[in-house]
Formats: sequence, structure tokens, C-alpha cells
Amino acid sequence: GQQLNQSPQSMFIQEGEDVSMNCTSSSIFNTWLWYKQDPGEGPVLLIALYKAGELTSNGRLTAQFGITRKDSFLNISASIPSDVGIYFCAGVSAGYGNKLVFGAGTILRVKS
Amino acid sequence: NAGVTQTPKFRVLKTGQSMTLLCAQDMNHEYMYWYRQDPGMGLRLIHYSVGEGTTAKGEVPDGYNVSRLKKQNFLLGLESAAPSQTSVYFCASSYYGTSENIQYFGAGTRLSVL
Repeated sequence: GQQLNQSPQSMFIQEGEDVSMNCTSSSIFNTWLWYKQDPGEGPVLLIALYKAGELTSNGRLTAQFGITRKDSFLNISASIPSDVGIYFCAGVSAGYGNKLVFGAGTILRVKS
Repeated sequence: NAGVTQTPKFRVLKTGQSMTLLCAQDMNHEYMYWYRQDPGMGLRLIHYSVGEGTTAKGEVPDGYNVSRLKKQNFLLGLESAAPSQTSVYFCASSYYGTSENIQYFGAGTRLSVL
């Protein structure tokens, strides 16, 4: 079953708005990853986080590794039409054999 | 740079037919994975391999078999396809299965079983 709870499930926002999504779990993770999947393509890594409290940016994207190691969030500033897609969080935990565990995804749609 | 390449991109099968999905990576990665993606469920791990000649079961292995005869290739087989196996299949690879475990994905194979 799904060990990561990702929210929101979908978002429909105005171009230029900021976007926020998060992922939570009852388990502790050593690594948090955020992927984006464009329509008809495979997931592509956006940001990787390795330490509790870590805050990392990649252009207009900012992600944080929660202090409790049980959550992470992703912010997108000043959204543009090409931000459309599905965003997945993924965690790595020794408890799951260092295999990736994925959230269900957040579908982002942008009104131009 | 090719990265992870999956073939075919699309396939339609009838119930009971068999097929093999091919994944090839040119990054000299040790670890390879097969996932399926279904609406609202994210990606679920079917089988994975930690090296040439080795395979292991993931979260949803039933109805699938895999082989890793060469380091760069990972094959996913469906012996007798069922409608429940209609899905998008993704292959991924990573250098090692460490706590970092950054996986690189192919573009996917869209399979419909009628």
C-alpha cells in the first residue's frame, strides 16, 4: 500500500501564482526526492534532499526536508504554463530496503 | 544521451497473450527497476535487480517475471496478460541502492489488455 500521503491530489491555478504541495508519512525517511512527470513521459528528478531541515532550490522550485524526517514540501513560485504535469514525492528509508516509495502525485494545471 | 530506453512505447494485447518489455540503460548502473503507474496510485515497484543475473520481488510482482542477463538490460515479461495489467510501465535505473538512490526513468510503455 501507499506509505506516503501526498496533497493536494490536484491543483488548478492561475499563471503567476505560487504553488505549494507536501508529502507526509508515519515513517522516517533518509532521503526525499521530488520528481515531475510531463504528459507521455517518465518522471524526471527535480530536487533531492538528504538532511533533516535541508532547504534546497532549483530555479523557481524550493523543497524542504522536514525536521521530523517524516515530511517534505515543494514550492513553485510564479507558475508558468510549462509547469503543468504530475509532481511526485518519493522517499528512501532503510526500513523499506532503501527502495523508493512514491506518493500518489499532485496534478498541476495552470490557467494561462 | 540515451539514458534509459524502453521498447515498445505502446502495445495492445488480448487477454492470455504474452509479451516482453525491454529496458536498456547506458549509464553503467548496477540497479534496475520496473514500476507500474495507475491513476491515483503513483508508481508501484514490480520487480528490481541489484546486478547482472539477480532479480527480486517488489510490491506487486504477481503475474510478471523478469530477467537481467546483461547489466544494461532488464526485461519484464507477462506470460498470460490480464485486463488488470493494463497500465503504464516504467523502467528505472540507479548507480547503487544507497540511501540516496536517485533513479532515472524511461519514457514508459503504455499497455492495454483487452
